Amino acid sequence: EAGVVQSPRYKIIEKKQPVAFWCNPISGHNTLYWYLQNLGQGPELLIRYENEEAVDDSQLPKDRFSAERLKGVDSTLKIQPAELGDSAVYLCASSAGQGDPETQYFGPGTRLLVL
Amino acid sequence: GEDVEQSLFLSVREGDSSVINCTYTDSSSTYLYWYKQEPGAGLQLLTYIFSNMDMKQDQRLTVLLNKKDKHLSLRIADTQTGDSAIYFCAERNSGNTPLVFGKGTRLSVIA
Repeated sequence: EAGVVQSPRYKIIEKKQPVAFWCNPISGHNTLYWYLQNLGQGPELLIRYENEEAVDDSQLPKDRFSAERLKGVDSTLKIQPAELGDSAVYLCASSAGQGDPETQYFGPGTRLLVL
Repeated sequence: GEDVEQSLFLSVREGDSSVINCTYTDSSSTYLYWYKQEPGAGLQLLTYIFSNMDMKQDQRLTVLLNKKDKHLSLRIADTQTGDSAIYFCAERNSGNTPLVFGKGTRLSVIA
């Protein structure tokens, strides 16, 4: 079974440029998460989807970040414009739902460097 | 808000046992998890424990939970060089609440 797929794995951009990350969750997983992981830190939730609905986006900086999950499968996270402080690893995870326990499966992440 | 604390580094010799500790503040934490992150990779779930348990064993891994002290530990028996990674403790309540992660403990295994 394929795991969570993310692309690109690495991205280098100049500040003020836009950037987008893509995630394909495990087949059949209705719940999808985007996390931000800064260097030396644990992941922090940005947004959670149940199917195509964003049910928790309270930590998403909506002035520059946006996300979508059309058709409730793949998801895209966008930053426009990017700032130096956005340099981090962006992790996507998926789970089968809010069962007990809710096991989240993580992708390898996209490492973003903003110059 | 909730907080999860871990020591940042641990170094052990190959074949010894490793014990990684974690403390959390949320007394209503229902589920506690240990994740492993190898360089350049995502997080891999190692094991989890419900708050109504005090111990769980899974092959070389033993999880101990002291709910009174809000202390969680992960013991790795017969530590191997392949166990070198960052280990994250995480907790969450029941229902639609997100995982809260610690900063991770970097385990180095010396051959």
